Amino acid sequence: GDSVTQMEGPVTLSEEAFLTINCTYTATGYPSLFWYVQYPGEGLQLLLKATKADDKGSNKGFEATYRKETTSFHLEKGSVQVSDSAVYFCALSDRDGNQFYFGTGTSLTVIP
Amino acid sequence: DADVTQTPRNRITKTGKRIMLECSQTKGHDRMYWYRQDPGLGLQLIYYSFDVKDINKGEISDGYSVSRQAQAKFSLSLESAIPNQTALYFCATSGRTSGTYNEQFFGPGTRLTVL
Repeated sequence: GDSVTQMEGPVTLSEEAFLTINCTYTATGYPSLFWYVQYPGEGLQLLLKATKADDKGSNKGFEATYRKETTSFHLEKGSVQVSDSAVYFCALSDRDGNQFYFGTGTSLTVIP
Repeated sequence: DADVTQTPRNRITKTGKRIMLECSQTKGHDRMYWYRQDPGLGLQLIYYSFDVKDINKGEISDGYSVSRQAQAKFSLSLESAIPNQTALYFCATSGRTSGTYNEQFFGPGTRLTVL
């Protein structure tokens, strides 16, 4: 079945460091891919998404490119801030959005 | 005002008690979901509902039941709570955008502790 595998954490970075969180997926058909972020004490909120191969999702300085050839959707940010400290979830849905699958989450802590 | 609300936000209860967690949404979405979150396990789907008359089991429905009282309300019940149901519970909604259900919107979560 469909699934998502993401890099285990926790990840600790200094402010202004480069961030990569790896995510690979297994899916039949043409899934949509997502990154959600969960700040402490809050629910998940959509960070960015891509609905077809080679699409790049971007938001708040974060980017991820839908790579069908490597079945990946890695999250990147060039310069992290303390306020980016959160748990990041990679997710996919089938083409029609009938089923969603979430990774286990990667905790990021950014220190000043 | 939050689009997806959950009550209560925190609950401590004892083994064997019946508990209901409630979810309401003002987004006008027809699809609603209940997940539980445990450390290191990500989100696990408990139940989902594509409309008021459509209820489906998720991957971990044992020990839980749900009720879709209206399009905007979806409740999760633990008939007889047990300690391994201690977790963070999230409600989510999804609505059709550009022909597909392409995003889920989450509530703030309910932290449930079963002693």
